[in-house]
Amino acid sequence: NAGVTQTPKFRILKIGQSMTLQCTQDMNHNYMYWYRQDPGMGLKLIYYSVGAGITDKGEVPNGYNVSRSTTEDFPLRLELAAPSQTSVYFCASSYSGGQGRGLEVYEQYFGPGTRLTVT
Amino acid sequence: DAKTTQPTSMDCAEGRAANLPCNHSTISGNEYVYWYRQIHSQGPQYIIHGLKNNETNEMASLIITEDRKSSTLILPHATLRDTAVYYCIVRVRRSGGYNKLIFGAGTRLAVHP
Repeated sequence: NAGVTQTPKFRILKIGQSMTLQCTQDMNHNYMYWYRQDPGMGLKLIYYSVGAGITDKGEVPNGYNVSRSTTEDFPLRLELAAPSQTSVYFCASSYSGGQGRGLEVYEQYFGPGTRLTVT
Repeated sequence: DAKTTQPTSMDCAEGRAANLPCNHSTISGNEYVYWYRQIHSQGPQYIIHGLKNNETNEMASLIITEDRKSSTLILPHATLRDTAVYYCIVRVRRSGGYNKLIFGAGTRLAVHP
């Protein structure tokens, strides 16, 4: 398995440009996530998805959009890039399944990240 | 989800055991302790998790105190490649809503020759 893959690895955008960060996982995980990590800080959740066709906002969704048309792919869209979106973006996925008293979500597996600079 | 407290940084000699502590005094009964690490510029990597009992896998051991208010991650024979930031995270494993990981500042472990 390749696990979680992200493209591109690096990107420089001008203010106001748009782009899509790609994320693909081959582990048949139903949960997928997008995080951003600013220098010296922890990760913050942008958006997440519990399955194809279902997405929801995380802690810092403003300025981003997502879609989940397949189990494998979870692209993140930046419509009007701003300098505040300069960050490293990580995609992650996890499996959920029925166990014990109910549905549980297991550990998350992360991609290698996309380093985005907006100038 | 409960908050955690970890030392900012630690050093360890190569080949020795690295013991990374974590306090989670407000942990509730259904919350698990998870450990992730982040090697410079890479995505976080899952290491191990536990609820009540001590756990061991090919990467590390996790020791959870009987009152569950603290835990220790043990890397039995640290190598230079174990130099990373280690995050202790406490969370439930329920579904519904998002399965949030709250990454604090973590412990920066430096393994030296």
